[in-house]
Amino acid sequence: GAVVSQHPSRVICKSGTSVKIECRSLDFQATTMFWYRQFPKQSLMLMATSNEGSKATYEQGVEKDKFLINHASLTLSTLTVTSAHPEDSSFYICSAPRASDYYGYTFGSGTRLTVV
Amino acid sequence: GENVEQHPSTLSVQEGDSAVIKCTYSDSASNYFPWYKQELGKRPQLIIDIRSNVGEKKDQRIAVTLNKTAKHFSLHITETQPEDSAVYFCAGSRGGSQGNLIFGKGTKLSVKP
Repeated sequence: GAVVSQHPSRVICKSGTSVKIECRSLDFQATTMFWYRQFPKQSLMLMATSNEGSKATYEQGVEKDKFLINHASLTLSTLTVTSAHPEDSSFYICSAPRASDYYGYTFGSGTRLTVV
Repeated sequence: GENVEQHPSTLSVQEGDSAVIKCTYSDSASNYFPWYKQELGKRPQLIIDIRSNVGEKKDQRIAVTLNKTAKHFSLHITETQPEDSAVYFCAGSRGGSQGNLIFGKGTKLSVKP
C-alpha cells in the first residue's frame, strides 16, 4: 500500500515552454506532498511543500512563479515548470508522508526533465 | 537552518568487507532517520530507518545506530556484495515526524568483487 504514481517519467521540452508533472496517491490520501529536485550526482533538495486546499510553501531560493504547485485534491499534486530553461533540467521527485505509518514516506518514481 | 552532513562522499570496499557511512544532524526536533539506496535515475528506496526512541536497529546485513546526544547516526553494511553498489542517502525529519526530510549529500558505495 501507500503508492505515489508520478508522471511523466521523462520529458524533453523546448526552452520557454511549460511542463506539468503529476503525483497521485493511489491508495491513500496525501494531505501533504513534498517536491524535491535532484541535480546529477547531488542530493535531493526540497523545493516546496504542498498542502491540499492551501498555498504551497516554497524553500528559500525557489521561485514560486516559476515552479507552480497545485494540490487541489487529497490524491493529486502537480508541479508546473513554467518558461523552462536548460538550467531547470533535473530529476524532480515527489514524496508524501504515509498516513498509515506515522514515520513513513512514499516517493514517486521521479521525472527526468531535459530542457533543450 | 537545519542540516544533515554525510561522510564519506565515496566509499570503495572489497566484497565481503563492511561499509560504514556516518551522518550528523543539526535539528534537535528531528526524530526520524531513514536511510535510502538510490540507483541511477530511480527513486530512493528505503533500506532501514530508526526513530529517536531507540539507539540501534538491525535488519539482516544492515544496521543503523543513533546517538541523540551527539546528533549522529550511522549505517553499517556487513558482508557487502556487488549489488550493494549504489548511492546511499541519510535523512532526518525536519521538526519531528511527518515533516519533510532533509537529505545528506549522499555516499557513492562501490563494492569490488
